Amino acid sequence: AQSVAQPEDQVNVAEGNPLTVKCTYSVSGNPYLFWYVQYPNRGLQFLLKYITGDNLVKGSYGFEAEFNKSQTSFHLKKPSALVSDSALYFCAVRYAGNMLTFGGGTRLMVKP
Amino acid sequence: DAGVIQSPRHEVTEMGQEVTLRCKPISGHNSLFWYRQTMMRGLELLIYFNNNVPIDDSGMPEDRFSAKMPNASFSTLKIQPSEPRDSAVYFCASRGVIGTDTQYFGPGTRLTVL
Repeated sequence: AQSVAQPEDQVNVAEGNPLTVKCTYSVSGNPYLFWYVQYPNRGLQFLLKYITGDNLVKGSYGFEAEFNKSQTSFHLKKPSALVSDSALYFCAVRYAGNMLTFGGGTRLMVKP
Repeated sequence: DAGVIQSPRHEVTEMGQEVTLRCKPISGHNSLFWYRQTMMRGLELLIYFNNNVPIDDSGMPEDRFSAKMPNASFSTLKIQPSEPRDSAVYFCASRGVIGTDTQYFGPGTRLTVL
């Protein structure tokens, strides 16, 4: 069965510092991996995805993610955090061809 | 592009009442998903349609929940009768033809059952 783990409920970082939000996955076959962001009282917004190819994927708002097959990880990163990046972040893996399983979410708090 | 549209945005009802949530997917998308989000259980997939046909409804919690997609531009999720434990945010998402992979989410409906 497929699963996604986000080991940190919350990540705190100072504005201007690099940030990392962790994600590990388990799925049969080649993984299709996604990151979404959710702002308060909003739906999930797509940030980036890994399907195949380069292990470093670039997405919206300056975010990027690194796929590591040996560690079954897909960590979200940004070189310099902004206060406006504060939100809830979800990692997801595609399974059964068309469906997504989401992790529990990580709340990112960027302090000025 | 208006994105995925959901209505109502907020719904407050009393236990035992019927609740109907509505979703309009992005035009041209052929897959539609209903999710439920709660603090305790996170994001759960309830049901998934492809070309208006329900493909997987294994996430529907019980018979009180039903979903329909009468055409490519409209879907409903109905709860009858509603219970307080159904209180959650319900999201609809749509996706283009297979191969594009990305699901796009609506703003959600916050349901409160008293």
